[in-house]
Amino acid sequence: SAVISQKPSRDICQRGTSLTIQCQVDSQVTMMFWYRQQPGQSLTLIATANQGSEATYESGFVIDKFPISRPNLTFSTLTVSNLSPEDSSIYLCSVVGADRGSYNEQFFGPGTRLTVL
Amino acid sequence: DAKTTQPNSMESNEEEPVHLPCNHSTISGTDYIHWYRQLPSQGPEYVIHGLTSNVNNRMASLAIAEDRKSSTLILHRATLRDAAVYYCILRDLKTSYDKVIFGPGTSLSVIP
Repeated sequence: SAVISQKPSRDICQRGTSLTIQCQVDSQVTMMFWYRQQPGQSLTLIATANQGSEATYESGFVIDKFPISRPNLTFSTLTVSNLSPEDSSIYLCSVVGADRGSYNEQFFGPGTRLTVL
Repeated sequence: DAKTTQPNSMESNEEEPVHLPCNHSTISGTDYIHWYRQLPSQGPEYVIHGLTSNVNNRMASLAIAEDRKSSTLILHRATLRDAAVYYCILRDLKTSYDKVIFGPGTSLSVIP
């Protein structure tokens, strides 16, 4: 299994500022993912972050708004830039565990709850 | 990823079995059926997966239709801790390292 921690667990930010969320994994993983979960909604994938390459963003998400760093195999950051109230969500980090042949379990962090005023 | 369809919500009485259905009529031959659940204020967690045969683990059972176009997650005795959103997801074996794409899921309420 993979244990994931995120910092901060929650934050309240002012409109126009930025928030950087850290994701730390207790083992080396190739692929890391960032998701957003808006209030009362399911999870939406923002981007895939592989170490040593640029993050791959899903439709509707752009690097200028959600820059991602992946400096090594156990750590990643997601920055949410130029905040607006619509960015108020829970942001979750996720990794794929070790190859188990028929499936690769995906593990999730506890999330960072962001409120933008 | 092929699409899945689940009821928005279901209710169960505590200590009774719960059957959570999932339709996936466009499933391909290499798609595995995965279930994840998200407890309140937590990230999702893996529950169970299968390809063709029914599967059991300590958390739940997965019953897969013979034509694989539907499946049912079975919680044998619902507890209050099982109140969560349950997601049925198809993952292609060929891209099993790929990301999980979530649908709306089924919100399960457990009544004491």
